[in-house]
Amino acid sequence: NAGVTQTPKFQVLKTGQSMTLQCAQDMNHNSMYWYRQDPGMGLRLIYYSASEGTTDKGEVPNGYNVSRLNKREFSLRLESAAPSQTSVYFCASSEGGGASTDTQYFGPGTRLTVL
Amino acid sequence: LAKTTQPISMDSYEGQEVNITCSHNNIATNDYITWYQQFPSQGPRFIIQGYKTKVTNEVASLFIPADRKSSTLSLPRVSLSDTAVYYCLVVDYNTDKLIFGTGTRLQVFP
Repeated sequence: NAGVTQTPKFQVLKTGQSMTLQCAQDMNHNSMYWYRQDPGMGLRLIYYSASEGTTDKGEVPNGYNVSRLNKREFSLRLESAAPSQTSVYFCASSEGGGASTDTQYFGPGTRLTVL
Repeated sequence: LAKTTQPISMDSYEGQEVNITCSHNNIATNDYITWYQQFPSQGPRFIIQGYKTKVTNEVASLFIPADRKSSTLSLPRVSLSDTAVYYCLVVDYNTDKLIFGTGTRLQVFP
């Protein structure tokens, strides 16, 4: 099992460009999450999906959209990138419906730079 | 939002016990407190979780007082490979959102 995979690993954008970060998991998990981690800081939840077809905002959702394409895939879209969105983006998944007892499994991250 | 505070960094030597505390002043009453470990250029990895009192697994112990305003991760006899950043994860009482702590960078010396 590959676990949680993310593409791309690195990306450089110009201000105003759009892009989609892809995430897939092969553990048959119900919940999936998107976090951002700014240099030297902790992780902040952007959006999560407790089950296929549902999405909810996290702590910092502004400037992002998400799509739970199916049970395996959860994508994060930046419609008009801004330098403040320069960060490392982590996708995670968990077996349950997003409860605090769920163990989250994280992908390797996507390092995004917006110029 | 729940304010979660951790020491920025800690130093230790191999073989010592390390205790890292996370202060969380407004967490949901029925949710668990979880700790994760993160190595450079990797995603976080689950260590341990608990609701109250003490929980122990093969790698760590977690102490949670009755008021649940803090939690302490205890790593017995650390080794060089324990050098990493450690985060607590809680649920905010008002928003029901998951909130990671600020993180503690642990450096273990030989």
